Amino acid sequence: EAGVAQSPRYKIIEKRQSVAFWCNPISGHATLYWYQQILGQGPKLLIQFQNNGVVDDSQLPKDRFSAERLKGVDSTLKIQPAKLEDSAVYLCASSLGGKNTEAFFGQGTRLTVV
Amino acid sequence: SQKIEQNSEALNIQEGKTATLTCNYTNYSPAYLQWYRQDPGRGPVFLLLIRENEKEKRKERLKVTFDTTLKQSLFHITASQPADSATYLCALDMKGYQKVTFGTGTKLQVIP
Repeated sequence: EAGVAQSPRYKIIEKRQSVAFWCNPISGHATLYWYQQILGQGPKLLIQFQNNGVVDDSQLPKDRFSAERLKGVDSTLKIQPAKLEDSAVYLCASSLGGKNTEAFFGQGTRLTVV
Repeated sequence: SQKIEQNSEALNIQEGKTATLTCNYTNYSPAYLQWYRQDPGRGPVFLLLIRENEKEKRKERLKVTFDTTLKQSLFHITASQPADSATYLCALDMKGYQKVTFGTGTKLQVIP
């Protein structure tokens, strides 16, 4: 079974530039998550989709971050404009949904804002 | 405010011993609690899930306990091996919601 695919693996941008991350979840998984993980901390949920609807985006900085889930499958997370404090690993995860809440994570995208 | 606390200091143990990691939470009423393993440069990997009505769960050398009165979960690795060295994260939900929140993780180092 193919896992969660993310790209790019690494990205370096200057502050105020924009960046986009892509995620392809495991086939059939209804729930998709984007997490931000700053070095030395646990993953922080940014946004959670159930199919193509948003379940929770309470911790998404909506003035600069946006996310969409195309046709309930792939998802993109965008930052515009980026700030230095956005430097982190962005993790995408998916799960079957409902009571099957085991989450499968991708390898993440390491973003460095300089 | 809601908190999930794990030992921020690394845990160093000798190979063959039992490692015990702690996850404490406040202002949550979770329906379940999960434990994940994370290696450097990788995403977390699911290990075990324990529900609120379960006291203990086992999987091979792993054992998880869940005490909803103490608001605490303990994660044990018996007969630890150097390959068990990693960061271990606990995660829990809020009953009635599907949102899962992670703790900060504890780094385990098993010394040969």
